[in-house]
Order: sequence, then C-alpha cells, then structure tokens
Amino acid sequence: QSALTQPASVSGSPGQSITISCTGTSSDVGGYNYVSWYQQHPGKAPKLMIYDVSNRPSGVSNRFSGSKSGNTASLTISGLQAEDEADYYCSSYTSSSTPVFGGGTKLTVL
Amino acid sequence: EVQLVQSGAEVKKPGESLKISCKGSGYSFTSYWIGWVRQMPGKGLEWMGIIYPGDSDTRYSPSFQGQVTISADKSISTAYLQWSSLKASDTAMYYCARGVVKDYWGQGTLVTVSS
Repeated sequence: QSALTQPASVSGSPGQSITISCTGTSSDVGGYNYVSWYQQHPGKAPKLMIYDVSNRPSGVSNRFSGSKSGNTASLTISGLQAEDEADYYCSSYTSSSTPVFGGGTKLTVL
Repeated sequence: EVQLVQSGAEVKKPGESLKISCKGSGYSFTSYWIGWVRQMPGKGLEWMGIIYPGDSDTRYSPSFQGQVTISADKSISTAYLQWSSLKASDTAMYYCARGVVKDYWGQGTLVTVSS
C-alpha cells in the first residue's frame, strides 16, 4: 500500500498553533478510526503522541490533539514550544490488516 | 515499567545473515503484538511486520514479505528480526515497537551492510 501523504515541512513561532495533515484513502484513514501520530527527535526513537485519531497516552501534553475528517487526519500542536521541534509521522490501519506510515513532516519552531 | 531493549549495532558484509533481537519487560509479553519498523538513513518510517508472541501469528508488509523473517521466543520475552542474505540496501535503523498502536519503542538497532 502507498504511504500516507504529509507535508514535508511546517513551521511556527513559539506560542502559535500549527496543524499537520495526513491524507490517505477510504481504505486506510477514511475507513478506520485507527490513526496514530508519532514524534521523533533526531537520533531518538519515535514516541507515540496520539492514538485512535484523538486519544492522548498518559504523559503526553494536552497541547497535542488529533482529529479526522474523511480521508484526512490532522495533528494540532497549540502553544508551540522549542522542544516540539521534531519530525512527526502519522500511521493508519489499512484494509490489508496492516498499518502504513505517512512520509513524515519536519516541524521547525522559528 | 514497560521496556523494549534491542540488541546492539551490527556491521555486516553483503550476503551474510543476521538476527537482531528485542527483549520486552514490565508487561505480559505474550499479550501484545510486537512490530518491526525500518528507517533508512535520512528517511521516514516503514512498517515491516508484526508478531503475536502468544501464538506466533505473524504478518508482513508486502514490501518485506520474503525479505525478512520475524519470530519470537516467549520463554525469554524476546522478538527477532532476521535476514538470510543481507544487501547494502538493508543498511538502516531498525526499531521494535509494542502493540498495534506502537505505544512503546525499543532504542533501535543500527545495521550497516558494507563490503
């Protein structure tokens, strides 16, 4: 299956809000409420930030939120902080009973 | 505390075989799927496959089917990813992650394949 589509990069100033989109098809994002988001700092393992479209694991800041509309899921980070600068990946369950990742988005905090 | 601890970095030659490991602790190892994810240098995450240690049910991404083998030994809470004949293009960081949601990740194993 093809990777989900994410913007290559987004940027924002401290305190602002940004949104990262993740576009798939009715066979993945649009067909299931099983979208997850991961944060990866350079040289580190990915970290789960959102699961099942909009749920936050324990310990993840409430500045991070997720949503979905049709075949597009979104991750919103409010009150942007320098430590949020990282790569972000979405992932969705698919009709092949396997997951697929997005291509990743580099977030720059200006 | 849930932990996934992976084996150390490997340097191999093309054609050699390799088996890397991922040891789980702090939870019931047989109750959660364990998946493997590849990250080539400077690139994004790619899902390779997943195993349920409870019954060894294994599924592969079509891109990796036949290229790697995923296994698990529940007696020692360890999952494995192995290659029978490495290629230079297998050079990457490999992560294991717990569950379908991938809520906990190993620290990664860097595999370098070079002649």
